[in-house]
Amino acid sequence: NAGVTQTPKFQVLKTGQSMTLQCAQDMNHEYMSWYRQDPGMGLRLIHYSVGAGITDQGEVPNGYNVSRSTTEDFPLRLLSAAPSQTSVYFCASSRRGLSAGELFFGEGSRLTVL
Amino acid sequence: QQPVQSPQAVILREGEDAVINCSSSKALYSVHWYRQKHGEAPVFLMILLKGGEQMRHEKISASFNEKKQQSSLYLTASQLSYSGTYFCGTGLQGAQKLVFGQGTRLTINP
Repeated sequence: NAGVTQTPKFQVLKTGQSMTLQCAQDMNHEYMSWYRQDPGMGLRLIHYSVGAGITDQGEVPNGYNVSRSTTEDFPLRLLSAAPSQTSVYFCASSRRGLSAGELFFGEGSRLTVL
Repeated sequence: QQPVQSPQAVILREGEDAVINCSSSKALYSVHWYRQKHGEAPVFLMILLKGGEQMRHEKISASFNEKKQQSSLYLTASQLSYSGTYFCGTGLQGAQKLVFGQGTRLTINP
């Protein structure tokens, strides 16, 4: 049982480059979300989705785009990478939304922007 | 806004107790607690819902004071395996955003 799979695990970009962080879950979860984690800042919500075709902004959405064409996949796109986007990114999913309980996290993607 | 956690860091000896607090300026519907070990993903501990009961996970329990918009995590007779950073996440009624606090680093020494 794979759970939540994120790729790549590590990535180095130059300022201005674009890239997509992939997230896939095999648990048929409706809810998916992206967080970034920076030292001393905790986990900050970037975007989330309550089902295929539905996305919404979190606390820190600027510079990121998402789409949800299938239940399984929730990619995060960096349009023009900036050093401030250097972070560890976590994708998480939940079966029925937040009130139902547990968020399952992927292992994280460490991004460095030079 | 992010909930505020206190203390920011705690150092204990094995077997001692600890309390981690989480407070919000908004009326909360749910409080979630997670533990993250260094280099790993956060792992779910428990969720407390408005009007719900105090929850327990092994020797870890939590309470939710809806009137004060506060939650507390109680770690009893701490074990070495409890070391890590604890995060509270708060949810509002009708919203699907889970906003996390900045974390509390717990170190358990033998």
